[in-house]
Parts: sequence; structure tokens; C-alpha cells
Amino acid sequence: DIQMTQSPSSLSASVGDKVTITCQASHDITNQLSWYQHKPGKAPNLLIYDASRLETGIPSRFSGSGSGTDFTLTISSLQPEDFATYYCQQYDDVPRLTFGGGTKVEIK
Amino acid sequence: QVLLVQSGVEVRKPGASVRVSCKSSGYNFITYSITWVRQAPGQGLEWMGWISPYNGNTDYPQKFQGRVTMTTDTSTSTAYMELRSLKSDDTAVYYCARVRDVVLAAGVFDFWGQGTLVTVSS
Repeated sequence: DIQMTQSPSSLSASVGDKVTITCQASHDITNQLSWYQHKPGKAPNLLIYDASRLETGIPSRFSGSGSGTDFTLTISSLQPEDFATYYCQQYDDVPRLTFGGGTKVEIK
Repeated sequence: QVLLVQSGVEVRKPGASVRVSCKSSGYNFITYSITWVRQAPGQGLEWMGWISPYNGNTDYPQKFQGRVTMTTDTSTSTAYMELRSLKSDDTAVYYCARVRDVVLAAGVFDFWGQGTLVTVSS
């Protein structure tokens, strides 16, 4: 299976900060990567797919980039509602989909 | 609007089975596959497989093969996930989600159920 490694595993940031989360795949997955936001007690929410396509209804402060094995999720100006855990997921190796370990974004 | 509504909390003993349901509305149920993802306490998300309501085809990761069965009832637009031979580390919140396109967008889970807590304890 393709391993997805996220970093950092957690971070502390303030409202208005720019936040960057990285995700590295153990094999080339072209652009077959999505990002999800997950808050406690809620269902995960799709943010980005195909590495850089913003899902409908998601604020433009979220963006994704990368291809091959290295990917980035960026929040340009962190808002109070963005404190959550973020997961990357590869879907190049179907049907062996895998998630990264998650990055928890906490309030500084 | 698209909604996926899951069944309620379940408590089982080790060795038992559990079946979680996921009722869809607001779209043509047959057109989109349903996937299942779980999260154990303090852990990350784990993909459990998917099913096509159109033809009943399923795919399960090796970890769950032989222990999980996913089915659908197209007459009620409901998907089911049954997990057998439960162990304590199967304690988790189980989510269903709609897959936008298993060929062109396999990892795009665009609508999710609210989650079902399954606790396995003696």
C-alpha cells in the first residue's frame, strides 16, 4: 500500500496566520490526492481534490498544490472555524486508498 | 439536498457482529458508490471499502477482507456495512460517504453521514 506521511502531526497558530501542512506519498501518485477537514463530533469535510481543485463552497483561503510525491495544503489566513484536524488521502492506488496520519491545528 | 443519515450507537461484545445503516436522499442513489471510513479513539481515518449500488460490486482493503460485508437496498436507498468477529480495537466511529466517481474521482467523498459509534467491550 502507498504510505502517506503528513507533517507536522500538530501545530499551534493564531487567527490570521498562514498555515502550511505537507503530505508525502511513498510512491508517485500524480495528482490523485484529496484533503479533508475533520472537527470533533462532526463528519469529515472535503476541501481539495485532484491535489489543487477547491471543492464547491470551500473558502478560497484554502489551497492545495503539488504532484508526484509531495503535496501541500495552505490556509492563507487562519480563521477561528479552521481549528481542526486535516487529512490527506491518496486515490491513485485504487482500491487501496490510504489516508495520512492527520495534522491537528490548534489555537496558540 | 443530499443527505446521508446513519443508524444509532451500537454496543457489542467481542466476537459479535454489527450492522450499520446509511440512508441516502436528495440524489439518484444508484449513480454513486458508497464508501465507509472509520476513526478509532485518538486515531486517524481508515478506509474500509466501497460498494456500487448499481451492480453491487465491492472493494475492500486486505485488512478487512473476510470480515466486512457491504450491501445496498436500492428500494430504500440504504447502504449497510456489517463487520464480524468484533475485537476491542474495532471500537470506532464509522462513517458512510458518497463517492463522486470511482473511476475519475475515487478519493472524492463529497457527502458524509453523521457517524455511528460502535463500542466493543466485554
